[in-house]
Amino acid sequence: NAGVTQTPKFQVLKTGQSMTLQCAQDMNHNSMYWYRQDPGMGLRLIYYSASEGTTDKGEVPNGYNVSRLNKREFSLRLESAAPSQTSVYFCASRVSEAFFGQGTRLTVV
Amino acid sequence: AQSVTQLDSQVPVFEEAPVELRCNYSSSVSVYLFWYVQYPNQGLQLLLKYLSGSTLVESINGFEAEFNKSQTSFHLRKPSVHISDTAEYFCASLAGGTSYGKLTFGQGTILTVHP
Repeated sequence: NAGVTQTPKFQVLKTGQSMTLQCAQDMNHNSMYWYRQDPGMGLRLIYYSASEGTTDKGEVPNGYNVSRLNKREFSLRLESAAPSQTSVYFCASRVSEAFFGQGTRLTVV
Repeated sequence: AQSVTQLDSQVPVFEEAPVELRCNYSSSVSVYLFWYVQYPNQGLQLLLKYLSGSTLVESINGFEAEFNKSQTSFHLRKPSVHISDTAEYFCASLAGGTSYGKLTFGQGTILTVHP
């Protein structure tokens, strides 16, 4: 009964490095989401996938790419990390009564 | 476009006192409203929701929120708080259907309950 699983939980990157944040859900939900959380700004939507095979930009997509690999998995890629991307990243599934992962705390130095 | 405004960034309160966390939304279409809670170093958990029907909704741990269409508000209340209620609370709105669309979150309110 895992729900939404994110990996890794913590990551430190140097400016310019790339990485992929992984997310998987085992609840057979169609929609999946990536948010970033910054102090005083709530959660802002980066990208979402309404169903397998589709992805759309959210509020803050610049500097990110996503892949909906299958119904279970939705990954977020930072091609060239910048200090402004230091944040806590959350993956979620299902838009109403959304289920959230535990988050990935990313620091870019 | 939707927007959600939480009117207080921090709310300190003493244990067993009542509390209200304020949330206003803007939407030109039918809207669904949610409150989520985030404990330190954890993800968000759904606290309660308004989809339709009764405008007063309750959670299992004593919180309640009232959907007020005329004031475009969805304030969260609890008559007597506990230390364990210390957390950050997020109000969110969803426009359109409940099977698609995007949640829009407020900025969050940190509730701190003091003994």
